Amino acid sequence: DQQVKQNSPSLSVQEGRISILNCDYTNSMFDYFLWYKKYPAEGPTFLISISSIKDKNEDGRFTVFLNKSAKHLSLHIVPSQPGDSAVYFCAASARTGANNLFFGTGTRLTVIP
Amino acid sequence: DVKVTQSSRYLVKRTGEKVFLECVQDMDHENMFWYRQDPGLGLRLIYFSYDVKMKEKGDIPEGYSVSREKKERFSLILESASTNQTSMYLCATREGRGRNQPQHFGDGTRLSIL
Repeated sequence: DQQVKQNSPSLSVQEGRISILNCDYTNSMFDYFLWYKKYPAEGPTFLISISSIKDKNEDGRFTVFLNKSAKHLSLHIVPSQPGDSAVYFCAASARTGANNLFFGTGTRLTVIP
Repeated sequence: DVKVTQSSRYLVKRTGEKVFLECVQDMDHENMFWYRQDPGLGLRLIYFSYDVKMKEKGDIPEGYSVSREKKERFSLILESASTNQTSMYLCATREGRGRNQPQHFGDGTRLSIL
């Protein structure tokens, strides 16, 4: 059973606009969350993370928001650029079994110039 | 920059063969991981190792084994390959055990079992 879900397989956004990628999780023990970006023929690369003690973390154009009560997190990219076109994976871990990252199925973002 | 190298980008093997996937890292990281990525399932952890000769099962270890004889090398072994092991295999490393340290991935090996 998928404990981390990304319900939108794809998203298209105009260059310069905001991209919002969503992620839901079911395990209430998850307390650390990460976003990875993956280009074709390359491995995923780390983008940004957030601990459950925070509800927001920002790094340049990328911001992750965490809503613990809803078991939901989102990644905002502002402004979106064509180079952001990639597959984005959400991942989560719990304090116990910290080596085990649970990944979502990914959302393919296309930024249209 | 962390460099995680997987020995093959594409590999085709036959059912019943013993298959070795190799991963080498150049950053002296303690932790190494093997995942497989399948459409609609995301990445799933097969095995990980937190030190030389140490290993732990992930979510889907059945049909696989691993070897870590040296710190920089982590091998995934398919003892007797089956068609349901056709997948993209990704190796990753992490410097320490802290969860605030991200995993660094190789570019993957696309394995086809015929």
